[in-house]
Amino acid sequence: EVQLVESGGGLVHPGGSLRLSCTASGFTIDNYEMTWVRQAPGKGLECLSFISSNANTIKYADSVKGRFTISRDNARNSLYLQINSLRVADTAIYYCARHPSWVEAVDVWGHGTMVIVSS
Amino acid sequence: DIQMTQSPSSVSASVGDRVTITCRASQDIDTWLAWYQQKAGKAPNLLIFAASTLQSGVPSRFSGSGSGTDFTLTISSLQPEDFATYYCQQASNFPFTFGQGTKVDIQ
Repeated sequence: EVQLVESGGGLVHPGGSLRLSCTASGFTIDNYEMTWVRQAPGKGLECLSFISSNANTIKYADSVKGRFTISRDNARNSLYLQINSLRVADTAIYYCARHPSWVEAVDVWGHGTMVIVSS
Repeated sequence: DIQMTQSPSSVSASVGDRVTITCRASQDIDTWLAWYQQKAGKAPNLLIFAASTLQSGVPSRFSGSGSGTDFTLTISSLQPEDFATYYCQQASNFPFTFGQGTKVDIQ
């Protein structure tokens, strides 16, 4: 079964950091572009970051640029998101997502990991 | 960033109804448009990509159309499992922005 499983979420104080991980099973990520998408409680979807299959192209939304860092380890079949200088407004479910170039859409989503930023 | 505007924001419908949701982009995105369904407490699920291509396993009652700036998702005969929130997303330019969502609920 094709699957993405996120981990690393939790409760953190403003200004803190977390490292989110996403492990793929049922396929190898080295053929795929990947993204991180978040959803604040009761709100819509926000695309945060994109990384190409070979990591040569990396993009960030303005809302997270300079604070978030996307990376991948194809040998571990894993994607990561380092999130620093967390703000209350970063509270959300963070989804790992497969975004193949031949589809140009997210065709596989993880179940999400919750990040709560609160003092 | 490209702005995506969906309408309506919510629609009440009955089983068997035809439901149409529209999505407008703030600039030309050709056919780089996807539609997703999200049920409460779950991750979104891809329905349609490239504006009109049905994702594998998605029922044929779902269809998409449009190009440029105006797009439509149609559910030809609403089924009980279709009550959910629907999002459009453009993949023309990063960030791949989403519409604000359309909630389809039971009339």
